[in-house]
Amino acid sequence: DQQVKQNSPSLSVQEGRISILNCDYTNSMFDYFLWYKKYPAEGPTFLISISSIKDKNEDGRFTVFLNKSAKHLSLHIVPSQPGDSAVYFCAASVTVSGFQKLVFGTGTRLLVSP
Amino acid sequence: DAGVIQSPRHEVTEMGQEVTLRCKPISGHDYLFWYRQTMMRGLELLIYFNNNVPIDDSGMPEDRFSAKMPNASFSTLKIQPSEPRDSAVYFCASSPPGQKYEQYFGPGTRLTVT
Repeated sequence: DQQVKQNSPSLSVQEGRISILNCDYTNSMFDYFLWYKKYPAEGPTFLISISSIKDKNEDGRFTVFLNKSAKHLSLHIVPSQPGDSAVYFCAASVTVSGFQKLVFGTGTRLLVSP
Repeated sequence: DAGVIQSPRHEVTEMGQEVTLRCKPISGHDYLFWYRQTMMRGLELLIYFNNNVPIDDSGMPEDRFSAKMPNASFSTLKIQPSEPRDSAVYFCASSPPGQKYEQYFGPGTRLTVT
């Protein structure tokens, strides 16, 4: 039972264009959302996050949007660069017995071509 | 600063053998997480510890899997006996006190069970 879903396993965009990665979730108890980026042979690294009380958070070329009513969040990368090519994981946080637990999606592989 | 250290980076073993994966978290971090990455299920949380105490092991697939954290600087994930379906990349992550959401991942151990 996948509580966090990334329905697009891959995405290809041209350098300079916008990349939009999508994520859907089912658990309304999630209170914080994160995006992680993963290069081959490395562990995931934190990219950007958003609290459930906000609908947008921006950090340089990266913006995350949250639509709570639709249980949907997206990551926008503008402009996309070849170095952005990686697997992007969406994650959601839920409090279980007083502890925060992250639930990850299956990832979307982004390829940015020159 | 050294990040999360995992060993071995690659492990190839035969079905039925015992496998032990090792993790050294970042010094001062009080949370430690074990994840498994597969194509079908993405990043799955197996177990996590707080101050060396296991908090939630509901993600451990079955009794063949066990994890220990004898001290703040070392943890192991053991599979006995191993099966081909255990083949995956196993990540260890840690997070510091007060940091509820962001986790720091190691480079992973790629396990292949033949």
